[in-house]
Amino acid sequence: QVRLVQSGVELKKPGSSVRVSCKASGDTFSNYIVSWVRQAPGQGLEWMGRIVPVLNIPNYSQKFQGRVTITRDTSASTAYMELSGLRSEDTAVYYCATDAVTTIAYYFDYWGQGTLVTVSS
Amino acid sequence: DIQMTQSPSSLSASVGDRVTITCRASQTISGYLNWYLHKPGKAPTLLIYAASNLHSGVPSRFSGSGSGTDFSLTISSLQPEDVGTYYCQQIYSFPCTFGPGTTLDIK
Repeated sequence: QVRLVQSGVELKKPGSSVRVSCKASGDTFSNYIVSWVRQAPGQGLEWMGRIVPVLNIPNYSQKFQGRVTITRDTSASTAYMELSGLRSEDTAVYYCATDAVTTIAYYFDYWGQGTLVTVSS
Repeated sequence: DIQMTQSPSSLSASVGDRVTITCRASQTISGYLNWYLHKPGKAPTLLIYAASNLHSGVPSRFSGSGSGTDFSLTISSLQPEDVGTYYCQQIYSFPCTFGPGTTLDIK
């Protein structure tokens, strides 16, 4: 069982960057793949990228490549998602989630509470 | 990227009704299909993984079926707490992609 607690609401100017944190408790965080998913107002869920354990290698959606950086600090049981070059379309709730992988399945089982990022001048 | 579609986009049903939501992938995804329920102001919760496997703690009135490109989620007897938006997700290849969602409310 893992509990994920995300950082608080952010208000950012266009062109700036935002970093959202996701702190885990309850299990060995270093074993987990962590994904980031966002939901813009009135829109559906959109996967942004993930970071795999041990080597901490990130994979990004092509849509966000070059603007998103996902990292983790294993000693702090925390994952981070930084998005740069913010524009109004990046206004969304950002979620972290742990990825569960089995021989027959891959799914997101534990989720953070979400962080609202508003981009406005 | 694999595109996911869902139907209907919204649905209103009565308590006790049997409800079915369908999801279609733009190419075969074998059984790598998950279903989530997203309630306003909350994080999404996993209902079904690998097309037909009920996630731990999810009521047995939820079931999933399908393989290849066509999938469905069924609620056998709708309860008031089932309202929200349902999303399918393909995880056959990355980037994983979600359907546009089906919003379910109570008549």
